[in-house]
Amino acid sequence: DGGITQSPKYLFRKEGQNVTLSCEQNLNHDAMYWYRQDPGQGLRLIYYSQIVNDFQKGDIAEGYSVSREKKESFPLTVTSAQKNPTAFYLCASIPDGRGTAFFGQGTRLTVV
Amino acid sequence: GQQLNQSPQSMFIQEGEDVSMNCTSSSIFNTWLWYKQDPGEGPVLLIALYKAGELTSNGRLTAQFGITRKDSFLNISASIPSDVGIYFCAGQRTSYDKVIFGPGTSLSVIP
Repeated sequence: DGGITQSPKYLFRKEGQNVTLSCEQNLNHDAMYWYRQDPGQGLRLIYYSQIVNDFQKGDIAEGYSVSREKKESFPLTVTSAQKNPTAFYLCASIPDGRGTAFFGQGTRLTVV
Repeated sequence: GQQLNQSPQSMFIQEGEDVSMNCTSSSIFNTWLWYKQDPGEGPVLLIALYKAGELTSNGRLTAQFGITRKDSFLNISASIPSDVGIYFCAGQRTSYDKVIFGPGTSLSVIP
């Protein structure tokens, strides 16, 4: 099946630990995005990548890092520098420049 | 960063009623998108608009790309319980630019 896979769906980490969220797509889409969603809030852009080996900061990049070594993969690392990491994280891919994003199922990260 | 504004923030309607919501921006966009999100899931694309004045339907949903290119509207006709969810608008200023989202409109349908 073609699609975007985020794993795991639920993730628990202790405060101070880095954690990496996985996002894989087999849609052959060029662009991939990471958004953060807090309860009752919209989607805020963390990082995005239009092509392999290139990525740009979004509006809330502080405390996060990404890599784009392969077209299919865009992992997000939530570092210990992120002050409030507990949130719902959504990955999306976009086939071309026209902006129609297709989303994964999300990863709910809880830091205790 | 850029912001999109959506109104209303939330709506409670009777089943069978029509719904209207809108999205505005201080910047001109060349793409407007409407998504629906169910609890605990990723948003799903409903309608994409690429041209000022464009009116596009998807079943009971109709969306319009505003003439000024700074707004967009979504209408849902004859609402049903499964319409419940959060509706997000999203926009893109130019091709290959970042896609940003509004804060969402929460829709509740009373049977």
